[in-house]
Amino acid sequence: DQQVKQNSPSLSVQEGRISILNCDYTNSMFDYFLWYKKYPAEGPTFLISISSIKDKNEDGRFTVFLNKSAKHLSLHIVPSQPGDSAVYFCAANWGVRFGNEKLTFGTGTRLTIIP
Amino acid sequence: EAQVTQNPRYLITVTGKKLTVTCSQNMNHEYMSWYRQDPGLGLRQIYYSMNVEVTDKGDVPEGYKVSRKEKRNFPLILESPSPNQTSLYFCASSRDRGTRAFFGQGTRLTVV
Repeated sequence: DQQVKQNSPSLSVQEGRISILNCDYTNSMFDYFLWYKKYPAEGPTFLISISSIKDKNEDGRFTVFLNKSAKHLSLHIVPSQPGDSAVYFCAANWGVRFGNEKLTFGTGTRLTIIP
Repeated sequence: EAQVTQNPRYLITVTGKKLTVTCSQNMNHEYMSWYRQDPGLGLRQIYYSMNVEVTDKGDVPEGYKVSRKEKRNFPLILESPSPNQTSLYFCASSRDRGTRAFFGQGTRLTVV
């Protein structure tokens, strides 16, 4: 049972435009969400996170939106740059409240920025 | 430089031959985890450790062992590897529960 779902395996966006990556989750216990970016032959690197007490978190060109009622979060990248081409993983955790270390990842979305 | 170091980066082995993938972090993090990445399945947690001598199973622990005798090291042991353990493995560490994890560069394991 996939508790964190990224339904789009791939996404292509023109350079300079907005990239929107989506993630849905089924476990209402999740209270902390993270986005990771992964280049080929490298480990995932942390991008941005959001706690369930917020509905938006912004860091430079990256903004994460959380809609708890819909169990949906999205990552917006504005403007998109060629260096943003990578695989993006959404992850969720309910460790903050219950002391659980486990991160549950989605299957990833491959973002390609077209120059 | 803060980092998580895994070795080896690439490994080809035969079925049944015991192997160990090492993982070391220099950030004094309490929490460490092992993940495997497979096509269409994303990253799945194998084992995690909340501190020295404290480990617990993740989603896919079968066929793996871990130990945490020192804070900085968290080796992954495959006592009798099988072809279905062919995968890309990542070690990660984090400072607190639920916070951002730092990942190693990965170990690509092939079991023939």
